Amino acid sequence: EVQLLESGGGSVQPGGSLRLSCATSGFSFRSYGMAWVRQAPGKGLEWVSVISGSGGVAEYTDSVKGRFTISRDTSKSTLDLQMNSLRADDTAVFYCAKLRREALSGTVDYWGQGTLVTVSS
Amino acid sequence: DIQMTQSPSSLSASVGDRVSITCRASRSINFYLNWYQQKPGQAPRLLISEATTLESGVPPRFSGSGSGTAFTLTINSLQPEDFATYYCQHDYGNPPYTFGQGTKVEIK
Repeated sequence: EVQLLESGGGSVQPGGSLRLSCATSGFSFRSYGMAWVRQAPGKGLEWVSVISGSGGVAEYTDSVKGRFTISRDTSKSTLDLQMNSLRADDTAVFYCAKLRREALSGTVDYWGQGTLVTVSS
Repeated sequence: DIQMTQSPSSLSASVGDRVSITCRASRSINFYLNWYQQKPGQAPRLLISEATTLESGVPPRFSGSGSGTAFTLTINSLQPEDFATYYCQHDYGNPPYTFGQGTKVEIK
């Protein structure tokens, strides 16, 4: 059974940093791309970042480029998102997402339960 | 970036109704279009991939159609468990793999 479990969410002041982690199990981690998708309170889904199965390629949505860094550890089957220079509009539930393919792609076949990040002074 | 536009933003329907949701892409995405269902407090669930392929475990009352820039999600004979928000998403070319703004299906 595929399982994705996020951690690391919480409250932070504007300009601060947080590191989200996603522990995975139940599938061959290196064989699939992974992504982070967020959802602001009461709003829709927003694609944030994606990384290939090998970890060699990563992309970000424009609003987080230069501030967020996605990474993966194949030995631990974990996905991380380092978030710096956080802003109020980064407040959202962040979902860890398993992709259907190894390469950069968009189809999410499994989702974590989400972790809430609140950026407020 | 490819923009995805859904309509309507919300709709009210009764159990047993047939419901259709439209999604338009800002340029052709061939058939690389997904539909997700999200219930309050839950993560999204993949319903349909590549415009028409029903995912395992999804009831056959759900169907998808379209290609290019125009797509439709149809729910035949709406059931109580279908009241949720539905999102389209493209999976074409390079990221970001944008989602539509969502369509909330409510009980009439």
